[in-house]
Amino acid sequence: AQSVTQLDSQVPVFEEAPVELRCNYSSSVSVYLFWYVQYPNQGLQLLLKYLSGSTLVKGINGFEAEFNKSQTSFHLRKPSVHISDTAEYFCAVRRSGNTGKLIFGQGTTLQVKP
Amino acid sequence: GAGVSQSPRYKVAKRGQDVALRCDPISGHVSLFWYQQALGQGPEFLTYFQNEAQLDKSGLPSDRFFAERPEGSVSTLKIQRTQQEDSAVYLCASSLRTFEETQYFGPGTRLLVL
Repeated sequence: AQSVTQLDSQVPVFEEAPVELRCNYSSSVSVYLFWYVQYPNQGLQLLLKYLSGSTLVKGINGFEAEFNKSQTSFHLRKPSVHISDTAEYFCAVRRSGNTGKLIFGQGTTLQVKP
Repeated sequence: GAGVSQSPRYKVAKRGQDVALRCDPISGHVSLFWYQQALGQGPEFLTYFQNEAQLDKSGLPSDRFFAERPEGSVSTLKIQRTQQEDSAVYLCASSLRTFEETQYFGPGTRLLVL
């Protein structure tokens, strides 16, 4: 069975500083990897996804993530955060070839301070 | 174009009451997913439809939970004899097809069982 671990429940950071949100997964089969963002009282919005190919994936709002198969990680990064990036971030995994069921981590709250 | 919509946005139910939550997916989307998000947790998969066929209901927590999508578009998640532990946000997502397709999430229905 797949599982996802987000190593930090909260990440406080000052505006314009870089940030990394960590995600590790466990799976014995090939997987697809996703990062979603959830703003208060809103649904989840896809930031980026890794399906195959280049291990460095670029997404919306200046975010990027790197797939590391040997370390089973998919950490999310942004070189310079804005106040508007304050939100909950979820890492998710899906087994390749299945119907699309996503397994989510518990989320990381990014708190950007002025 | 219109995204995934859900209604009601908020629902308060007395313990033992039956509730019905509605999801309107993006027009033409074949796949539809329901997830349950408890407070402070990541979403957890409940069930999956491909058109009108319910192909995976492995995440439904008990036989009090029932989902349908009779015409392959709108879906309803019904919870019978609600319990306090059913309090959560119920998220609906749809995708154009299956496999690699991005899942688009609705804003969710926040259910509070008193």
